[in-house]
Amino acid sequence: SQELEQSPQSLIVQEGKNLTINCTSSKTLYGLYWYKQKYGEGLIFLMMLQKGGEEKSHEKITAKLDEKKQQSSLHITASQPSHAGIYLCGADPDQAGTALIFGKGTTLSVSS
Amino acid sequence: DGGITQSPKYLFRKEGQNVTLSCEQNLNHDAMYWYRQDPGQGLRLIYYSQIVNDFQKGDIAEGYSVSREKKESFPLTVTSAQKNPTAFYLCASSIIGQGVPEAFFGQGTRLTVV
Repeated sequence: SQELEQSPQSLIVQEGKNLTINCTSSKTLYGLYWYKQKYGEGLIFLMMLQKGGEEKSHEKITAKLDEKKQQSSLHITASQPSHAGIYLCGADPDQAGTALIFGKGTTLSVSS
Repeated sequence: DGGITQSPKYLFRKEGQNVTLSCEQNLNHDAMYWYRQDPGQGLRLIYYSQIVNDFQKGDIAEGYSVSREKKESFPLTVTSAQKNPTAFYLCASSIIGQGVPEAFFGQGTRLTVV
């Protein structure tokens, strides 16, 4: 079965600094999703990547999928306290569009 | 506004009791899902349904049951057979038949067994 491993597990950065979160899959990715979660709340969709080498940006967040489609990174530029939360990557394991599997998440704290 | 609603937000249950978590969506989505989230564990799939009156077990279905009598509703029952029910439960829905689906999530229900 496919597994997603996220690193780091947690991260504390000073406001204004850049950071990167990684998501590595045990199998080829056919769709990679990034979500953000505030503690005790639901998940908010950030971005979805499908093609090898694809890169998408929204405000100060950029996500990339490598050419081999087994690793994705989420990069935040000039972090702000509003970026704090849990970031989860998700994937469709069998291309059947049944249900997403998720990594264990990366908890981001931003100190001002 | 379209969305997915979970209720209640907080739920307390005594050991040995069954409890049902509600999930309703008005997005006209075919597929609905239940996930369980524990600290440091990410999200684990309990059950999912792609069509009314049909559902499939996920990775951790033991001790849970679901029904899908209406397209809009996918309630989850946590039975007394579930050994560690205290967790955060998330419901999601998505369109199917359009390749890889984007899932929309509810705000979650935090269940505590006392």
